[in-house]
Amino acid sequence: QSELTQPPSVSGAPGQRVTISCTGSSSNIGAGYDVHWYQQLPGTAPKLLIYASNNRPSGVPGRFSGSKSGTSASLAITGLQGEDEADYFCQSYNSGLSAWEFGGGTKLTVL
Amino acid sequence: EVQLVESGGGLVQPGGSLRLSCAASGFTFSNYDMHWVRQATGKGLEWVSAIGTAGDPYYPGSVQGRFTISRENAKNSLYLQMNSLRPGDTAVYYCARGNNWSFDYWGQGALVTVYS
Repeated sequence: QSELTQPPSVSGAPGQRVTISCTGSSSNIGAGYDVHWYQQLPGTAPKLLIYASNNRPSGVPGRFSGSKSGTSASLAITGLQGEDEADYFCQSYNSGLSAWEFGGGTKLTVL
Repeated sequence: EVQLVESGGGLVQPGGSLRLSCAASGFTFSNYDMHWVRQATGKGLEWVSAIGTAGDPYYPGSVQGRFTISRENAKNSLYLQMNSLRPGDTAVYYCARGNNWSFDYWGQGALVTVYS
């Protein structure tokens, strides 16, 4: 059972800002392991969106940003666009389970 | 350009076996940890196994003793031998490159269906 918790869904209108939370534990985020975020567009493989809490791979727009504090992390998307409609997953490493783990995923709907 | 291409998915009965392969290109395969991650239809992502550059394997409890990960650096290939398959193993299996505890590149996935 994953120890990373995400809201099942969030929504926002085009141009707005939305945030997705990822609540962890003392065995993953709280233990100092980085948080990474993935975007999965419908019918495609996941894509790394943010790594090490707040770094964007080449090609990822600056509208996407991440942060981490204590045992939680957040993904923020500003200037929401229709193409951002996707599932978003946070990921970290759990030292208690000795396993890489993912949050349950959050479905973003652009209204 | 980094590319990961899975193959070997298919239909199998409970208790059966299947071997997935992942062909890697566009990077020095031997320098990276590699992983398998699966996703059941409509569900989230689940890490299935990892292999270090030295060939050291890692598994979660859900597949420990049933799945075996291996790599063949000379062929730039990653494998997942799956035995004693269960209906709960039905999923799309992704090959992914590991990078500082993240998965920075993913394949397109291979569908494994365990049915009775």
